[in-house]
Amino acid sequence: NAGVMQNPRHLVRRRGQEARLRCSPMKGHSHVYWYRQLPEEGLKFMVYLQKENIIDESGMPKERFSAEFPKEGPSILRIQQVVRGDSAAYFCASSPPQDHGSEQFFGPGTRLTVL
Amino acid sequence: DAKTTQPPSMDCAEGRAANLPCNHSTISGNEYVYWYRQIHSQGPQYIIHGLKNNETNEMASLIITEDRKSSTLILPHATLRDTAVYYCIVRVRVNSGGSNYKLTFGKGTLLTVNP
Repeated sequence: NAGVMQNPRHLVRRRGQEARLRCSPMKGHSHVYWYRQLPEEGLKFMVYLQKENIIDESGMPKERFSAEFPKEGPSILRIQQVVRGDSAAYFCASSPPQDHGSEQFFGPGTRLTVL
Repeated sequence: DAKTTQPPSMDCAEGRAANLPCNHSTISGNEYVYWYRQIHSQGPQYIIHGLKNNETNEMASLIITEDRKSSTLILPHATLRDTAVYYCIVRVRVNSGGSNYKLTFGKGTLLTVNP
């Protein structure tokens, strides 16, 4: 059973470009969580999604950031018009439906660098 | 917000037990305590969780005080590979009456295991 997969592992963008980060949850998991980790800081919760639904987006910046988890395919975290302050590691986690939000399994992360 | 307080750093000698404390004085009666760790640049790894009783698994033991206001994670025989940031987290419900939960990470404790 493959773990949580994230791609790309490293992403470089210039200011103003768009960044798309993908997360494939573990098999059988229908809940996905995105976190951001700035250099030398802890993980900050961004958004919690279920298939085709946003459960909690209280940690998402109000502008430029969006997330989706379609019925088919991976979850996508999209950052429009990136700025240098978006440079961070973005981690995705997934959990099974019978025990929502508890034991989350994390992916290896995507390191975004904005030039 | 994390609702937990941990020391920023601790040291431990290889082969000795590492005892990591956590205060969660505002915890509610049905909120679980979770522990994760993050080895440098990797995704967080689940360690253990508990509600009232002490818990033990192959990785660690969790001791929760009777009033549930604090807990201690015990790594019985620390190795160099246990050097990581350890996060103590109180699981919170996302929506009132629902069964969706999220984890809010604080700054954690950097445990350094020395040879």
